Amino acid sequence: QAQLVESGGGLVKPGGSLRLSCAASGFTFSDYYMGWIRQAPGKGLEWVSYISSGGTVIYYSDSVKGRFTISRDNAKNSLYLQINSLTAEDTAVFFCAGGPTSGAFHIWGQGTTVTVSS
Amino acid sequence: DIQMTQSPSSLSASVGDRVTITCRASQGITRSLAWYQQKPGKVPKLLIYAASILESGVPSRFSGSGSGTDFTLTISSLQPEDVATYYCQKYNNAPRTFGQGTKVEIK
Repeated sequence: QAQLVESGGGLVKPGGSLRLSCAASGFTFSDYYMGWIRQAPGKGLEWVSYISSGGTVIYYSDSVKGRFTISRDNAKNSLYLQINSLTAEDTAVFFCAGGPTSGAFHIWGQGTTVTVSS
Repeated sequence: DIQMTQSPSSLSASVGDRVTITCRASQGITRSLAWYQQKPGKVPKLLIYAASILESGVPSRFSGSGSGTDFTLTISSLQPEDVATYYCQKYNNAPRTFGQGTKVEIK
């Protein structure tokens, strides 16, 4: 069955960096647009970034633009998010998610937790 | 940027009640709207996309309607397992903003 598994989260100091990964299986990854969504503790869902199926179209939210970089490797069925210059406000569970055509996120991973603290 | 506003922020209803959640976009988004359900401690789950198309496997008591700026998620007969927070999301263009969520509880 279709599955997304995130990894790479952890505890990082303010100003630090992390690279999140999302491994896809059970579906044709190269046919899916993908994205990252985060959820701060006790808060709602926040859309972070989007990448088209071929990787040529990329968008970011204003809150992460210039600090986060989304990428994908279709040969490895993997999605990535490089996150730099982290602040406490970036503490959240990061979900990867994707879909085939509609624009909505049909498949979600379990999430990986990023904690920014000194 | 287009803002997405859900109402109410929370509601409490009895089992079997009809429940309606509204999502309003600050500008028109045609029918590029999805609804998600997030149960406590769980991963969000897609319920409806393109404003009214039910995702495969989602119970038929869930339905969506609307276009342009005003959208509605309806639960025709609330069940105990529907306790969750519900989010709308626009995806016509970036940023693909979520609404702030509506928490649904059983009275």
